[in-house]
Amino acid sequence: AQKITQTQPGMFVQEKEAVTLDCTYDTSDPSYGLFWYKQPSSGEMIFLIYQGSYDQQNATEGRYSLNFQKARKSANLVISASQLGDSAMYFCAMSPRGGGKLIFGQGTELSVKP
Amino acid sequence: DAGVTQSPTHLIKTRGQQVTLRCSPKSGHDTVSWYQQALGQGPQFIFQYYEEEERQRGNFPDRFSGHQFPNYSSELNVNALLLGDSALYLCASSLGGLAGGEQFFGPGTRLTVL
Repeated sequence: AQKITQTQPGMFVQEKEAVTLDCTYDTSDPSYGLFWYKQPSSGEMIFLIYQGSYDQQNATEGRYSLNFQKARKSANLVISASQLGDSAMYFCAMSPRGGGKLIFGQGTELSVKP
Repeated sequence: DAGVTQSPTHLIKTRGQQVTLRCSPKSGHDTVSWYQQALGQGPQFIFQYYEEEERQRGNFPDRFSGHQFPNYSSELNVNALLLGDSALYLCASSLGGLAGGEQFFGPGTRLTVL
């Protein structure tokens, strides 16, 4: 069965420091996509970063990078230089074959302290 | 560039009633997916519409149905509402159906069933 696991219900980080949010996944599909979304209290899911299962290099988007370890089936999100506006829920998601339905984890609530 | 829009923003219904939620995809997108997000949980995939047909469906009962119009907008209908249907309903748009990639989410419709 396809599954996403986020084991950190809540995380705290000091402003300007880096933080890693953990995500492990389970799938037997050879082709899949991995996503991270941010959900502020307003509710809208904001796309952050995408990694394809065949991508050789780790994805980066500004202050976000995805630490993709295929053998370990992990796709951790690294946020560098945290800002107060980064406080939100963060969801890891997987899509078989890169399209179609997204399977989400339970989320990690990140709080950035001034 | 218009993003994904959803209406209404909030809705209150009573058990047994029927509800219709609406979604307009991001400009240029042809695929609409619907998700249900219960409080404190990650979103759960309901179904995806592409070329006016339901292409993929999650583990939701037949009370949940949908439609996609020629202009790619979509409706989610829920019949015989239960208390457990109270949730944030998110619409996401993408390009290319099951072969598509990144999904962009709307702000959601918060449904409360009393």
